[in-house]
Amino acid sequence: KAGVTQTPRYLIKTRGQQVTLSCSPISGHRSVSWYQQTPGQGLQFLFEYFSETQRNKGNFPGRFSGRQFSNSRSEMNVSTLELGDSALYLCASSPRTGTKNIQYFGAGTRLSVL
Amino acid sequence: GNSVTQMEGPVTLSEEAFLTINCTYTATGYPSLFWYVQYPGEGLQLLLKATKADDKGSNKGFEATYRKETTSFHLEKGSVQVSDSAVYFCALSEEGSQGNLIFGKGTKLSVKP
Repeated sequence: KAGVTQTPRYLIKTRGQQVTLSCSPISGHRSVSWYQQTPGQGLQFLFEYFSETQRNKGNFPGRFSGRQFSNSRSEMNVSTLELGDSALYLCASSPRTGTKNIQYFGAGTRLSVL
Repeated sequence: GNSVTQMEGPVTLSEEAFLTINCTYTATGYPSLFWYVQYPGEGLQLLLKATKADDKGSNKGFEATYRKETTSFHLEKGSVQVSDSAVYFCALSEEGSQGNLIFGKGTKLSVKP
């Protein structure tokens, strides 16, 4: 069974631009979550989608948004990029939502903002 | 708010040494607890989990016990190998939540031959 696939793996953008990252979950998984990983702040939860609906959102500005399609694939978008948005963005999928569910992570997209 | 605190690294050990990485948490109710591992250039992999008090999670020689009385979930391994070199993250998922994870800062482990 294929794992969680994130594309692209690496991305370089300049300040003010916008970027879209893609995540394909494990087949049959309906929940997709996004996390930001930086050396300073560590791993922080961005948002979670289940059945095309955002179910939970972390403490990030509105420049960060996402969506989920009917096939459970998800995209996240960051508008008006800032230097501080440079990070590894990780996507995780799970069969369903809930406290006890295991999240399976992709390899991440490394975004560099110049 | 809910949080996870784990020992800062890096931790350097010789092969076959005993490993302990401390993790304590702050949460209401009974969260689920996880250890994830991140190898260089890769995403996170679940190492083990425990969903209720006194549960012991184990995998690949690693163990951790959910201690409600001390709000801890320390990771242990009796004999580490060079291949265990990675960053280890302790995480919790709040009781009754959608399941989003709250992570500790991570502990980098280096095992020397």
